[in-house]
Amino acid sequence: KQEVTQIPAALSVPEGENLVLNCSFTDSAIYNLQWFRQDPGKGLTSLLLIQSSQREQTSGRLNASLDKSSGRSTLYIAASQPGDSATYLCAALTGTASKLTFGTGTRLQVTL
Amino acid sequence: NAGVTQTPKFQVLKTGQSMTLQCAQDMNHEYMSWYRQDPGMGLRLIHYSVGAGITDQGEVPNGYNVSRSTTEDFPLRLLSAAPSQTSVYFCASSPSGLLNIQYFGAGTRLSVL
Repeated sequence: KQEVTQIPAALSVPEGENLVLNCSFTDSAIYNLQWFRQDPGKGLTSLLLIQSSQREQTSGRLNASLDKSSGRSTLYIAASQPGDSATYLCAALTGTASKLTFGTGTRLQVTL
Repeated sequence: NAGVTQTPKFQVLKTGQSMTLQCAQDMNHEYMSWYRQDPGMGLRLIHYSVGAGITDQGEVPNGYNVSRSTTEDFPLRLLSAAPSQTSVYFCASSPSGLLNIQYFGAGTRLSVL
């Protein structure tokens, strides 16, 4: 059974700092891994989707990496801004591409 | 750009009552799904549909029914609400299954007293 873990559960950084969010998964036989952003009281917004054959994906100040052999993905946020404050969730697709397993998220606060 | 629309945003029910959570998407997506989000737990799949007329159970289907009569709509029915169904419910859609980016609605926050 796939388990997805995100540590830490919460993180506070000053504006401008570069930061890394972690996502670990127990079953390396994944099809893809997706990173989402969730603002308070809102739905999830997909940020990046990394296919199993890829090592990383980039979008603006965001860079997500994937290392299947070690069961890890990271989301790198460059030059953090207060508007980046949100909960970030990762989700791994496993099974016969039929099950998306979510982590519980890292709540990020970027302070002025 | 409406995307995925969920109604209502908030709902309070008494134990034993029934209700339907609505989900509609205007992107002509074949795949639609329902999740629940509870504190300290990842999102869990309730039911999903790969196209009109086709539905299947997810991880936590008990107490919920779904139907998919059109491509656009995927309502979730609570047959007899229980306090354990207090949660935030999200509807999601994608062009074709879980291999694609998932688009989520804003959620319905449900309290069962």
